[in-house]
Amino acid sequence: SSELTQDPAVSVALGQTVTITCQGNSLRSYYPTWYQQKPGQAPVLVIYGKNNRPSGIPDRFSGSSSENTASLTITGAQAEDEADYYCNCRDSSRSHWVFGGGTKLTVL
Amino acid sequence: EVQLVESGGGLVQPGGSLRLSCAASGFTFGTYDMHWVRQPTGKGLEWVSAIDSAGDTYYAGSVKGRFAISRDDAKNSLFLQMNGLRPGDTAIYYCHISVYALDVWGQGTTVTVSS
Repeated sequence: SSELTQDPAVSVALGQTVTITCQGNSLRSYYPTWYQQKPGQAPVLVIYGKNNRPSGIPDRFSGSSSENTASLTITGAQAEDEADYYCNCRDSSRSHWVFGGGTKLTVL
Repeated sequence: EVQLVESGGGLVQPGGSLRLSCAASGFTFGTYDMHWVRQPTGKGLEWVSAIDSAGDTYYAGSVKGRFAISRDDAKNSLFLQMNGLRPGDTAIYYCHISVYALDVWGQGTTVTVSS
């Protein structure tokens, strides 16, 4: 079972704001990384650290964390944002890393 | 350009062994932690193993004692020796580096464990 918990599916109307959450005790010690994965493709980093976007990631993507919960927010979702999203961080024991179960985002 | 290229996947019978390789280029390989991540068809990402720049190794509980990660910094290569393979190990295996904005995935290599 995953030590990071995500909602399996979320939907958002085109142009609206959506938040994808990730819960786990490790998040009290580490910021997560967030990945976007489209069918047939390798994951792509969208947020790392406190709230950092790699070059090429639109500024509609943002991240935040509080206690044992981390959030990925897409402000003004676009059709191309439809994908699976995963959170990932090191376990607080430092003995392993873990991914959340993933959230399938549908843009209506 | 940072690039990771996996090889070594294939079809193997339960209980068999495979050795995956990952060739790295475009960065100073020996200074970074490296990971293996797998994804069964239609399912989520699962972290498998990591090795840090000092050679310390880390494993998911599901593979500990069966898989062994190693690296050859002189050849910019990462390896995953997989023994005692089970049908549940069937997945695409990705080589991965994740250091702040330096986050790169290989194209993956497919491992199928079936009789």
